[in-house]
Amino acid sequence: NAGVTQTPKFQVLKTGQSMTLQCAQDMNHNSMYWYRQDPGMGLRLIYYSASEGTTDKGEVPNGYNVSRLNKREFSLRLESAAPSQTSVYFCASSHQGRGNIQYFGAGTRLSVL
Amino acid sequence: ELKVEQNPLFLSMQEGKNYTIYCNYSTTSDRLYWYRQDPGKSLESLFVLLSNGAVKQEGRLMASLDTKARLSTLHITAAVHDLSATYFCAVDRDDKIIFGKGTRLHILP
Repeated sequence: NAGVTQTPKFQVLKTGQSMTLQCAQDMNHNSMYWYRQDPGMGLRLIYYSASEGTTDKGEVPNGYNVSRLNKREFSLRLESAAPSQTSVYFCASSHQGRGNIQYFGAGTRLSVL
Repeated sequence: ELKVEQNPLFLSMQEGKNYTIYCNYSTTSDRLYWYRQDPGKSLESLFVLLSNGAVKQEGRLMASLDTKARLSTLHITAAVHDLSATYFCAVDRDDKIIFGKGTRLHILP
């Protein structure tokens, strides 16, 4: 049971570099989410996708872009990384017909130097 | 704008004691969730509350929802060390799920 898989688990970038965080789920969920977690800030929603083909901004979308590639995959792209984007990133998925309970990936620890 | 506030943000308590974590939210919502996170780990679901007056219990944890007051509580009964973790509430409105800042619970033996 893979659930929600995030890659990579760890990444170090230099300021200005770009990268894409990958997320895939195998539970046939329709909704997918990207959050960042910083100490003392809880989880903050970056972007979400309620269904294949749609994406919406969350609380902190600036500096990020997303792609809902298909029903299984939802990627997060940092075009020009900044130190303020150092964080732990979590991907989650849910099914509206099952209480919309979110299942989370293991997280990606990103450091931007 | 949907906002979610938890309190307290940090709680240190003795084993065997009871305590309550509070979660307030700013607008009407579709569902309310409680999650647990252990240090360095991901989040796992504890409860989902769907309607006013809903109450759910699992072991020493009980969650309730008052939609009129826009308030949910997570009550811990006779705490044990294994319950040490960070607890988050989250609110769902139109598939946009917003989290509170979390309550870091430390249970002393």
